Amino acid sequence: DAGVTQSPTHLIKTRGQQVTLRCSPKSGHDTVSWYQQALGQGPQFIFQYYEEEERQRGNFPDRFSGHQFPNYSSELNVNALLLGDSALYLCASSLLQLSTNYGYTFGSGTRLTVV
Amino acid sequence: SQQGEEDPQALSIQEGENATMNCSYKTSINNLQWYRQNSGRGLVHLILIRSNEREKHSGRLRVTLDTSKKSSSLLITASRAADTASYFCATDGGTGNQFYFGTGTSLTVIP
Repeated sequence: DAGVTQSPTHLIKTRGQQVTLRCSPKSGHDTVSWYQQALGQGPQFIFQYYEEEERQRGNFPDRFSGHQFPNYSSELNVNALLLGDSALYLCASSLLQLSTNYGYTFGSGTRLTVV
Repeated sequence: SQQGEEDPQALSIQEGENATMNCSYKTSINNLQWYRQNSGRGLVHLILIRSNEREKHSGRLRVTLDTSKKSSSLLITASRAADTASYFCATDGGTGNQFYFGTGTSLTVIP
């Protein structure tokens, strides 16, 4: 049973560019959450998707957007990249109705460097 | 802020000793979780404790929760070098299914 798969693992972009990160949730999971983790910090909640809709959003600008597909996979898009967007981006999947009991399964993350 | 805050920020112990780290939070919760992260990789779920539980065990891990003090502790007994990692608590802010992380405790276990 595959866990959460994220691609790519590493990415270097230039300031002002746009980036798309991808996530395939664990088999059987229907909910995908995205987190940004700066070096030495804890993960910061970006947003959560369920049934192809954004359910909840953290304190991130509109430059950060996402999408969930019918197969539950998800994309995170960041426009007009800033140097401060350099971070590890983590995708976490869960089963919405059971996350109260079982928590999240995380992918290994995408390391984004903006130069 | 809905985030938990871990204490201490860093902890260094000898192999075989016990490690205790604490988490304080501000809002009401349905549950609180602890995660481990090795060297900037993905987080691994360790244990979840519900707001109506006071203590939970999993192998060498013991978690306590005091909702009146809005605090939790994670005890790792008989630590091993492989326990070296960052440990985060995550609270759901009462939502049940969106989790907010603290800044973590960096644990180093010296062989």
